[in-house]
Amino acid sequence: QVQLVESGGGVVQPGRSLRLSCAASGFTFSASDMHWVRQAPGKGPEWLALIASGGNYKSYAHSVKGRFTISRDNSRRQLYVQMNLLTTEDTAVYYCAKASGSQSESWFDTWGRGTLVSVSS
Amino acid sequence: SYDLTQPPSVSVSPGQTASITCSGDTLGERFVFWYQQRPGQSPVVVIFRNAWRPSGIPERFSGSNSGNTAILTISGTQTMDEADYYCQAWDSNTVVFGGGTKLTVL
Repeated sequence: QVQLVESGGGVVQPGRSLRLSCAASGFTFSASDMHWVRQAPGKGPEWLALIASGGNYKSYAHSVKGRFTISRDNSRRQLYVQMNLLTTEDTAVYYCAKASGSQSESWFDTWGRGTLVSVSS
Repeated sequence: SYDLTQPPSVSVSPGQTASITCSGDTLGERFVFWYQQRPGQSPVVVIFRNAWRPSGIPERFSGSNSGNTAILTISGTQTMDEADYYCQAWDSNTVVFGGGTKLTVL
């Protein structure tokens, strides 16, 4: 079955960096656009970034542009996000999500369970 | 930036119809997607492209989108439908979520 499993979360100090990974299975990863979405405690989802299936197109939310970098390794069926200069505002559950449909008309048909990132001194 | 506005909460009695709105400038010119999120779980899409139901989503879920408002309608609401609901749309190659609506069934 289609599955996404995030990893790499944890407690990190403000100003530090963290890289999250997402392992994909059960679908043709190399043909799917992928996203990162986060959800702060008690808040709604916040979209962070998109990477096209071939990795040649990326888009970022204004709130993380320049600090976060999305990437993928299709040979390993892995999605990544490198997060730099973390602040307490970045504390959230981070989800990877698989897109369905053409890019700017697509939706998230599969979500992982998320990995918790807590930024605290 | 583009904003999607949802009511923070909606209450409905079991068996009645619940309507959750999502408002945004010229929203009717875009596709809207709806997600259900139960406590402690990841979101699940219940409506895509305004009005389409994914396989496995009950027929009581329906959607519409016109003008500046999209509506998620749940007919014959069941207690299992109690959850947070989020609308989503695209704006300039970025994804926007509404703030969410907590649906209470009582």
